[in-house]
Amino acid sequence: DAGVIQSPRHEVTEMGQEVTLRCKPISGHDYLFWYRQTMMRGLELLIYFNNNVPIDDSGMPEDRFSAKMPNASFSTLKIQPSEPRDSAVYFCASAPGRSEKLFFGSGTQLSVL
Amino acid sequence: GENVEQHPSTLSVQEGDSAVIKCTYSDSASNYFPWYKQELGKRPQLIIDIRSNVGEKKDQRIAVTLNKTAKHFSLHITETQPEDSAVYFCAATIMEYGNKLVFGAGTILRVKS
Repeated sequence: DAGVIQSPRHEVTEMGQEVTLRCKPISGHDYLFWYRQTMMRGLELLIYFNNNVPIDDSGMPEDRFSAKMPNASFSTLKIQPSEPRDSAVYFCASAPGRSEKLFFGSGTQLSVL
Repeated sequence: GENVEQHPSTLSVQEGDSAVIKCTYSDSASNYFPWYKQELGKRPQLIIDIRSNVGEKKDQRIAVTLNKTAKHFSLHITETQPEDSAVYFCAATIMEYGNKLVFGAGTILRVKS
């Protein structure tokens, strides 16, 4: 397995634009997580899915953020409209179970100018 | 997250010495405690984890100890090497937040050769 695959690796956009981050989890993993990493706030859980169903989105900062998982092999995190304070590294991770090892993707470095 | 505190924030040791990183957690029901290592520009990767039914776990030069009464757990790295230099994150499941994994703020470990 190629591991968790995220795209794009880097995204530079202007304030107000829509940003879509993509993730392909490891096949067979029932859990998918979206994290945001910044120097100030560390690793923050934004939302997680179990069997494609969003379970907890309490970490999503605002209505500008939305996430979907239309099937077991694909998830998106969308920011619309984007703002400079959204600049961060966004990681997707998957796991076979709830309290199990997280397998992180390579992350998307987002810069909103 | 405020439910998992990690110390120190930075740690510098001489190659060959030991390094110890400590974390405390607030939820007495927490039952899963992983440690992740993140090298510069890379994704976090699990290095060791422990569950609440054991007090210590070892894997070659790394070990984790858990004190459930005091609600703290520690990462021990012996015979440190330059390639151990990275950011280390502890985490704990927090039942108050639906058994979510909450990460500590991270420790920057620098091993000087």
